[in-house]
Amino acid sequence: AQSVTQLDSQVPVFEEAPVELRCNYSSSVSVYLFWYVQYPNQGLQLLLKYLSGSTLVESINGFEAEFNKSQTSFHLRKPSVHISDTAEYFCAVSDRSSGYALNFGKGTSLLVTP
Amino acid sequence: DAGVIQSPRHEVTEMGQEVTLRCKPISGHNSLFWYRQTMMRGLELLIYFNNNVPIDDSGMPEDRFSAKMPNASFSTLKIQPSEPRDSAVYFCASSSGQGAFNEQFFGPGTRLTVL
Repeated sequence: AQSVTQLDSQVPVFEEAPVELRCNYSSSVSVYLFWYVQYPNQGLQLLLKYLSGSTLVESINGFEAEFNKSQTSFHLRKPSVHISDTAEYFCAVSDRSSGYALNFGKGTSLLVTP
Repeated sequence: DAGVIQSPRHEVTEMGQEVTLRCKPISGHNSLFWYRQTMMRGLELLIYFNNNVPIDDSGMPEDRFSAKMPNASFSTLKIQPSEPRDSAVYFCASSSGQGAFNEQFFGPGTRLTVL
């Protein structure tokens, strides 16, 4: 069964600084990888996903993540964060054996301060 | 589209009481998922349906939990009897198919507090 490890529970960062949120997964089969964002008191929203093809995927608001099969990682990056990026970020994995249900990491709380 | 609708948004109840959480998926979506979010365990998949049929309920904690999907536009998650350790935020999500290519859209969640 696949599992997801998000190594940092909290990441404080100053506005306009770069950030990386780490995600590692364990699976013996082909996987699909996702990053979801949860703003306070809201449900989760899909930020970006890797299904196949290019290992670098991007979101519309400047985030990107790179699928690294050899390191079983899918780290999320942004070169310059905004106050509005403050949220909880969840990495998730799915595969055919799980019926494509999402298996989430514990989440990383990103706090952007001026 | 209004998105996934969940009710109630907040529920406070006493131990031993029955709790029913409701979900209306996005129209046209045929897969529905129930998740539970706690500080200790994070986000856990409880059960999911495809075309109103439960596919995997291995995440349901125990017999006190049950879920139904009587039709394509409605699902319930019931806890009977409720216990304080059931306190959590319960999310419903829906997608237009069962594959990984189909994005799951989440509702705003129901925050359950069992006293």
